[in-house]
This record gives sequence, structure tokens and C-alpha cells, in this order.
Amino acid sequence: DAGITQSPRYKITETGRQVTLMCHQTWSHSYMFWYRQDLGHGLRLIYYSAAADITDKGEVPDGYVVSRSKTENFPLTLESATRSQTSVYFCASSTLGAGGYTFGSGTRLTVV
Amino acid sequence: TQLLEQSPQFLSIQEGENLTVYCNSSSVFSSLQWYRQEPGEGPVLLVTVVTGGEVKKLKRLTFQFGDARKDSSLHITAAQPGDTGLYLCAGGIIADSNYQLIWGAGTKLIIKP
Repeated sequence: DAGITQSPRYKITETGRQVTLMCHQTWSHSYMFWYRQDLGHGLRLIYYSAAADITDKGEVPDGYVVSRSKTENFPLTLESATRSQTSVYFCASSTLGAGGYTFGSGTRLTVV
Repeated sequence: TQLLEQSPQFLSIQEGENLTVYCNSSSVFSSLQWYRQEPGEGPVLLVTVVTGGEVKKLKRLTFQFGDARKDSSLHITAAQPGDTGLYLCAGGIIADSNYQLIWGAGTKLIIKP
């Protein structure tokens, strides 16, 4: 099915573990984004990518790594998870940066 | 720092009532987008406005972009329980040669039957 798919939907991990959140889109959108959503903070941009092999930091990049070897995939890795990274993570894509964003359904990550 | 303030943060009203949500900033935006987010899902784009003074209607929802492109409003007529959700506004700016969205914190809307 066309769309933007995030996996897993739910994840519990231990402090210090590495965890990767996956994002796959089928529209060949140029731009892809990773956000975290927390009560009291709204949506905060972690990283974004304007095209394959082009990534850039957002507002809260520390502790996260991204890659984009293919246009359709944009994985987000937490290198050593901390409790402060407990959040709901959303991936989004857009044809151009100026267009409306299409969001995935999110990954709820709990770090214990 | 770019800020986009939404008000009210929370609104609970009866079915059939009208309501308005506001999105304000001191910054000028090239566009303003409105999204609705339901529990357990990602935000879904409702509308994009790009011209100062622009008004767009989506059934019972009316969106307006301020003349100076610094603010926007969402008006819902005869609200229904299906309108319940988190409404987010996002303003588009050009920063470091890239288009970016500045997000409001959201308005949580509950429509009681």
C-alpha cells in the first residue's frame, strides 16, 4: 500500500541499548523528517533529509543518528538510549520542503 | 527563535457550538498549515494557506491567514464529536536555504455529544 510506514509501533528498550526506528515511504518524496512528540513540548524536529545521502540536524539531534542511502528509507538510530528519549517518534515526508507533510502513525518508545 | 503560539491550549464544548482556534507569531511565514491529530496517529494535513488574507473552507472548517502572514485562525461551525482531536498549526519559513516548519504546541479539542 502507498503511504508512509513506521516500525515498530511500540518498543521498550533498556538504557544504554542501541535501537533503530524504521521509516519507509512509497511516494518517492524528496524530503523526510523525524520528529519527537512530548507533552509540553509539541513536535520537535530531530533530523531531516532533503534527498538521498543528504541529512541535516534539526532542533534536538543529540543522541540520534540518521542515514538515507535510499530515497524511500530514513531510519533513526538511538546510539545509547536514555530515559529522556522516551517519547513518541513520528516520521514524515514531503514532495518539497514547502509542501504539506505526510506523517506515519508513530513509534511509541519507552526506555527503562 | 521562531515561535508560533496557539490558543487556547484546551477546549471542551458541546456538540453544535462554534469555536475558533488561533495561531499567532511575530514572524512572517511563507505559508501556514493546519493539521489534525487523533490519538495514536500522526498529524494529518487539513489545509495550507499561502497568501495574506486567504480564506479556505473545508466543510464546516474555515481557515484564514492573516493579512501580514503572521497569524492564522481555524473556525469550526456547529462542532461535531468527530471534530475531536489535537489541532496543530505550522508556519513555513526559509532558514539556511531550506524550507522549515515551525510548529505550534497544539489545541486539544473535545466535542461532547
